[in-house]
Amino acid sequence: GAGVSQSPRYKVAKRGQDVALRCDPISGHVSLFWYQQALGQGPEFLTYFQNEAQLDKSGLPSDRFFAERPEGSVSTLKIQRTQQEDSAVYLCASSPNPNLAKNIQYFGAGTRLSVL
Amino acid sequence: AQSVAQPEDQVNVAEGNPLTVKCTYSVSGNPYLFWYVQYPNRGLQFLLKYITGDNLVKGSYGFEAEFNKSQTSFHLKKPSALVSDSALYFCAVREGTGGFKTIFGAGTRLFVKA
Repeated sequence: GAGVSQSPRYKVAKRGQDVALRCDPISGHVSLFWYQQALGQGPEFLTYFQNEAQLDKSGLPSDRFFAERPEGSVSTLKIQRTQQEDSAVYLCASSPNPNLAKNIQYFGAGTRLSVL
Repeated sequence: AQSVAQPEDQVNVAEGNPLTVKCTYSVSGNPYLFWYVQYPNRGLQFLLKYITGDNLVKGSYGFEAEFNKSQTSFHLKKPSALVSDSALYFCAVREGTGGFKTIFGAGTRLFVKA
């Protein structure tokens, strides 16, 4: 497809379970971002990849959160031992080239994670 | 530290009337400013951005925004609102030195009544 694709769209997990969220960016886009959007809030930065390199992971809230982009295209956000406060919509965005500041970001529809 | 404030949780306007959605920002260097719109069950969509140059920026769907450096504001405007403009609007800022992070405001829900 032409846009950023995220799967699954919805995920329900029991507290303590591990989850993996997938992002397929627009083909050829170098930059990839993950955001967490809590209910009623704006997206909050989690991490940034340039190709396969994770250049900024300062927004990851704890060591239970891990992201990878091994071949510079598809990315996976993994959350281990999920907790209720992890419930949120997780958004992925991509940009076409490394000149970051000027680039707009193209967002996926997000994965809504509910931890029970 | 970068920050964005959208002081209004909700804005209500009648169709055909002008609309303004407010945004103020704080950033240490030159700001790159963005507006995104979010429809239900959809990802954020880009509306417009200010990088440099003219303070009045025109974007998609008839929206425009005015960059005011002295007031550190970047308010979103449209001369004549449509019911279909009803959505959640986010202002965002990135520091112009090339940082990775984009900081988003909490969002303003726009209701346009027919």
